[in-house]
Amino acid sequence: NAGVMQNPRHLVRRRGQEARLRCSPMKGHSHVYWYRQLPEEGLKFMVYLQKENIIDESGMPKERFSAEFPKEGPSILRIQQVVRGDSAAYFCASSPSGRRETQYFGPGTRLLVL
Amino acid sequence: EDKVVQSPLSLVVHEGDTVTLNCSYEVTNFRSLLWYKQEKKAPTFLFMLTSSGIEKKSGRLSSILDKKELFSILNITVTQTGDSAVYLCAVWDNAGNMLTFGGGTRLMVKP
Repeated sequence: NAGVMQNPRHLVRRRGQEARLRCSPMKGHSHVYWYRQLPEEGLKFMVYLQKENIIDESGMPKERFSAEFPKEGPSILRIQQVVRGDSAAYFCASSPSGRRETQYFGPGTRLLVL
Repeated sequence: EDKVVQSPLSLVVHEGDTVTLNCSYEVTNFRSLLWYKQEKKAPTFLFMLTSSGIEKKSGRLSSILDKKELFSILNITVTQTGDSAVYLCAVWDNAGNMLTFGGGTRLMVKP
């Protein structure tokens, strides 16, 4: 019973490039949450998705960031034209339903922008 | 805006010591509080607390919630070097769609 999978685990990009982060939820989970963790800080919510729907993107920066969770395949967090301040660990979590229950986290993707 | 504050920020103890980590919160419409342990990878779930005064226990770890005073504590007895990690506290607000996390407590257990 695989847990939440994220890839890549580490990603290096130069300023201006695009970063694509992938998340496959636990089997049977249809709700996905993305969080960002800056160095020495706690996790900050970015976006909450169900299959084919964005439920809450109140934590997502208005520009350059987008997320999707298609009917087939993983959820993707996309950052366009990355800047140094985007360097962080991006964690994905999943839950079976959206009823404010335990979330299970993936290992994270550590993005470094040069 | 919901707020979660953890203390201390960091803590260094020796193996065998007992530690108490604190988490206080301000939430519009509290539902539950969760504790996670984060080593150099995914935060792993420890406890979910919903009711006041009921201790949850797992081995050497235990946690309790006080909904009147708006805080929770996580206790670790007879600490081991493997307990070294960042411990994260998070709350669910009934009105929101996300967990709100505190900044974490970094625990280092020395042999």
